[in-house]
Amino acid sequence: EVQLVESGGDLVQPGGSLRLSCVASGFTFRTKWMHWVRQTPGKGLMWVSLINGDGTNTNYADSVKGRFTISRDNAKNTLYLQMNSLRVEDTAVYYCAPAEEDWGQGTLVTVSS
Amino acid sequence: QSALTQPASVSGSPGQSITISCTGTSSDIGTYIYVSWYQQHPGKAPKLMIYDVNNRPSGVSDRFSGSKSGNTASLTISGLQADDEADYYCSSYTTSNTVIFGGGTILTVL
Repeated sequence: EVQLVESGGDLVQPGGSLRLSCVASGFTFRTKWMHWVRQTPGKGLMWVSLINGDGTNTNYADSVKGRFTISRDNAKNTLYLQMNSLRVEDTAVYYCAPAEEDWGQGTLVTVSS
Repeated sequence: QSALTQPASVSGSPGQSITISCTGTSSDIGTYIYVSWYQQHPGKAPKLMIYDVNNRPSGVSDRFSGSKSGNTASLTISGLQADDEADYYCSSYTTSNTVIFGGGTILTVL
């Protein structure tokens, strides 16, 4: 059974930083492309970032490029999202999303003064 | 890049079939098989229903099926049930090495 446990969401002031983590189990993590997807309450889904199995291919949505960094530790079956220079509009539930698998329950990031 | 285009809402009666369309471009749906569909009930995380155009994850009912023609993908739900009432989102990989989602479709079971 696929299990994904996201953590790291919090209330942070504009300009602040957070690191999200996602611990995965139930599938072969090291070969799986992984994504972060976010959803503002009451709104649709927005893709944030992707990383391939060995971490050599990463990409970002234009709205987060230069501020967010995706990474992974295959020895720990863990995906990360380092978020810097956070803005009010980054407020959302962030989901860890493996390709072709179900997602985690998400972690809430609130950016507010 | 603009979102994939989905109808804002569709409806059907129990037992009927409905189809939700998802229109993209030659830079996404038209080029790749990496089209997925997600179901989201209120307050819950999205659930993968279809991946790679027409593949169902284990545990997903065979009442759900996917297809693609040109730049448009479709999700068909047959034998509508009350629990199918939810929001549905499509997604596609793109030629820019990104992923794009549709705006979502609210399915109402009358």
